[in-house]
Amino acid sequence: DTGVSQNPRHKITKRGQNVTFRCDPISEHNRLYWYRQTLGQGPEFLTYFQNEAQLEKSRLLSDRFSAERPKGSFSTLEIQRTEQGDSAMYLCASSITGGEGTQYFGPGTRLTVL
Amino acid sequence: GENVEQHPSTLSVQEGDSAVIKCTYSDSASNYFPWYKQELGKRPQLIIDIRSNVGEKKDQRIAVTLNKTAKHFSLHITETQPEDSAVYFCAASNTNAGKSTFGDGTTLTVKP
Repeated sequence: DTGVSQNPRHKITKRGQNVTFRCDPISEHNRLYWYRQTLGQGPEFLTYFQNEAQLEKSRLLSDRFSAERPKGSFSTLEIQRTEQGDSAMYLCASSITGGEGTQYFGPGTRLTVL
Repeated sequence: GENVEQHPSTLSVQEGDSAVIKCTYSDSASNYFPWYKQELGKRPQLIIDIRSNVGEKKDQRIAVTLNKTAKHFSLHITETQPEDSAVYFCAASNTNAGKSTFGDGTTLTVKP
């Protein structure tokens, strides 16, 4: 499968714990996006990278959230001191720069904070 | 920033009928408008997209229209089938800026 992959697919954690998710984009895609989706809502933008540079970060993203893409390939999203309101599906997408702009999504990581 | 509104939130049709979902956007700089289909527990899958230099695009039973002046675009599905049942999301983006802004989705149910 040469599509976007995410790990883990499910994560259950207790409030206050830290969690980290990984996204592997389509290999030739230099843009990588993180979105959060809650039940009944569309994906909500969190942040995106072009190569290793983080170009935009949503104002909704608190200081407890951090994302990295150190080598311009895979990315990690870390949530520190998780809260119950962080429970959601975390989706990763990738695209090429400009051009078509089509974003292809991964299967997501479902986070449940108890 | 961009704001996308999508209507209706739920849509139920009989198999074989047509379905239309409408979206409006606010940022005139948006130039790319994809539509995604999301089945329960699965990733959003791109089904069709349109760019701002085109007014209409068709792919078999699916078509999208764009009215840049009015800032709205619509998804049309003809001859609906039960397997079309899913949540459909519209989105708007500026391909230079990167991020997409999504609507809240339309749950389409096709009754056999």
